[in-house]
Amino acid sequence: EVQLLESGGGLVQPGGSLRLSCAASGFTFSSFVMSWVRQAPGKGPEWVSTIRDSGDNTYYADSVKGRFTISRDNSKNTLYLQMNSLRAEDTAVYFCAKCSGTRCLNFDYWGQGTLVTVSS
Amino acid sequence: DIQMTQSPSSLSASVGDRVTITCRASQSISSYLNWYQRKPGKAPKLLIYAASSLQGGVPSRFSGSGSGTDFTLAISSLQPEDLATYYCQQSYSTPLTFGQGTKLEIK
Repeated sequence: EVQLLESGGGLVQPGGSLRLSCAASGFTFSSFVMSWVRQAPGKGPEWVSTIRDSGDNTYYADSVKGRFTISRDNSKNTLYLQMNSLRAEDTAVYFCAKCSGTRCLNFDYWGQGTLVTVSS
Repeated sequence: DIQMTQSPSSLSASVGDRVTITCRASQSISSYLNWYQRKPGKAPKLLIYAASSLQGGVPSRFSGSGSGTDFTLAISSLQPEDLATYYCQQSYSTPLTFGQGTKLEIK
């Protein structure tokens, strides 16, 4: 059974940093593209970032480019999101999602999410 | 960026009703359209991919149709457990974008 378990969320002041983790199990983690998706209160989901199976290629939404860094450790079956220079508008539940296919044609499994609140 | 617009934003229906939700893309996305279900407090779940393919384990009362810019998610006979918010998402180009959601309530 595929399981994705996010951690690392919390309350942080504007300008601060957080590192999210996503522990994956139930599938061959190193073979799949992975993504982060967030959902702010009352809004639809927003794609944040995607990383290829090898970790060599990464992609970002314009809203986080230059501030967030996605990475993975295939030996630990773990996905990361380093978030710097956080803003109030980054407040959201952050989901780790497994992509199906090499082009991330859809997100076939999601974690339960971890809440990030940016506030003074 | 491709904008995804869902309608209605909310709807209320009775058990056994046929329900349809519409999603419109701001430009053609061929069949690169997915539907997700999010129940309160739970992880989102993929229902339909590539506009009309049913994800494994999803009940057959769910179906998807459409191509180009106009898409539909249908529930043939609404069940109490279908209480959720439904989202469409395009995977034609980055940034991957979602609709704003349709909240489905059971009368």
